[in-house]
Amino acid sequence: EAGVAQSPRYKIIEKRQSVAFWCNPISGHATLYWYQQILGQGPKLLIQFQNNGVVDDSQLPKDRFSAERLKGVDSTLKIQPAKLEDSAVYLCASSSPSLRGKTEAFFGQGTRLTVV
Amino acid sequence: AQSVTQLDSQVPVFEEAPVELRCNYSSSVSVYLFWYVQYPNQGLQLLLKYLSGSTLVKGINGFEAEFNKSQTSFHLRKPSVHISDTAEYFCAVLTNAGKSTFGDGTTLTVKP
Repeated sequence: EAGVAQSPRYKIIEKRQSVAFWCNPISGHATLYWYQQILGQGPKLLIQFQNNGVVDDSQLPKDRFSAERLKGVDSTLKIQPAKLEDSAVYLCASSSPSLRGKTEAFFGQGTRLTVV
Repeated sequence: AQSVTQLDSQVPVFEEAPVELRCNYSSSVSVYLFWYVQYPNQGLQLLLKYLSGSTLVKGINGFEAEFNKSQTSFHLRKPSVHISDTAEYFCAVLTNAGKSTFGDGTTLTVKP
């Protein structure tokens, strides 16, 4: 079974530029998460999708971050414009819909973003 | 709201020694509990989970954890660690509504 795929693995941009990350979840997983992991901290949930609908985006800085999940499969997370404090690893995860709320999330390898 | 506190940010141990990584949580609703491991430049991998039933949970790589409801703790243990266990360990809670909260992690360093 293929895992969660993310790209790119690494990205370096200048502040005020824009950047996009892509995630392909495990086939059949209806729930998709984007987390931000700042160095030395645990993952912080940015947004959670159930199919193509947003379940929770309470911690997403909506003035600069946006995410979509067209057709309920792949997802993209965008930052525009980026700030220095956005430097972090962005993790995508997915989980099975049949045990919603009771199952673990499967994580991709993450995208390490450096804003200079 | 939920919160997770990992009481030790760094735990150095010698190879073949026992280890305990401590995790306390706070929540106004029932939660499910997880431990994940993260190797350098990798995503998180599930070690074990507590959903219900027996409070002692066994996971991969010889790890186990015990859920203590009265103390709101979910400490991770291994009786004998290996060099390859060196990694970052995260405790997490998940509500029935699907809201997840992670601790800030414990860096386990196993020395020869």
